[in-house]
Amino acid sequence: AQSVTQLGSHVSVSEGALVLLRCNYSSSVPPYLFWYVQYPNQGLQLLLKYTTGATLVKGINGFEAEFKKSETSFHLTKPSAHMSDAAEYFCAVSAPNFNKFYFGSGTKLNVKP
Amino acid sequence: GAGVSQSPRYKVAKRGQDVALRCDPISGHVSLFWYQQALGQGPEFLTYFQNEAQLDKSGLPSDRFFAERPEGSVSTLKIQRTQQEDSAVYLCASSWLSRGSNEKLFFGSGTQLSVL
Repeated sequence: AQSVTQLGSHVSVSEGALVLLRCNYSSSVPPYLFWYVQYPNQGLQLLLKYTTGATLVKGINGFEAEFKKSETSFHLTKPSAHMSDAAEYFCAVSAPNFNKFYFGSGTKLNVKP
Repeated sequence: GAGVSQSPRYKVAKRGQDVALRCDPISGHVSLFWYQQALGQGPEFLTYFQNEAQLDKSGLPSDRFFAERPEGSVSTLKIQRTQQEDSAVYLCASSWLSRGSNEKLFFGSGTQLSVL
């Protein structure tokens, strides 16, 4: 079975500050892990994904995430927040030969000027 | 268009009415998914198509929910005798490959269904 837990439904940071959005997963097989972003009135867009290989994954808009198997985590970070980063972020898990993606409940990021 | 298109954008239904939600995936995409997103929650899997074949419908919450993709492109999600608990945003997503598990999903903007 697979599941995702996102700690913190709302996160607020100041512009220029570090962004850290937490994601922990549960999977009975080696996982594929994803972060999606949803802007108001838009569809979810892929930020980055981990399938195999390097555990530090870089995505669009300066975001990156690190797969830590020992901690079953895939936290999303960005060194310096921008006002345009304000959105809702979803972590998701899948696995080889699975046709389902399991999403977390989302974290809304607010960026203060 | 270049993206996944869903219609209508908003749908208000009286309890007991039937509704049909449409998804136009990106041309050539093999895999198509439907997800349900309740307020304040993440998307939850409903069903999966590979071309016209519905390979997984394990997420459909009841037999009032029915999905089809007869020609392997456009898909329709039908909900019969709508109930208030059906109120949610219904998301459609598509991807290139026949096994979507490690591939990027392209999402539509969703249909927001409100059942009164």
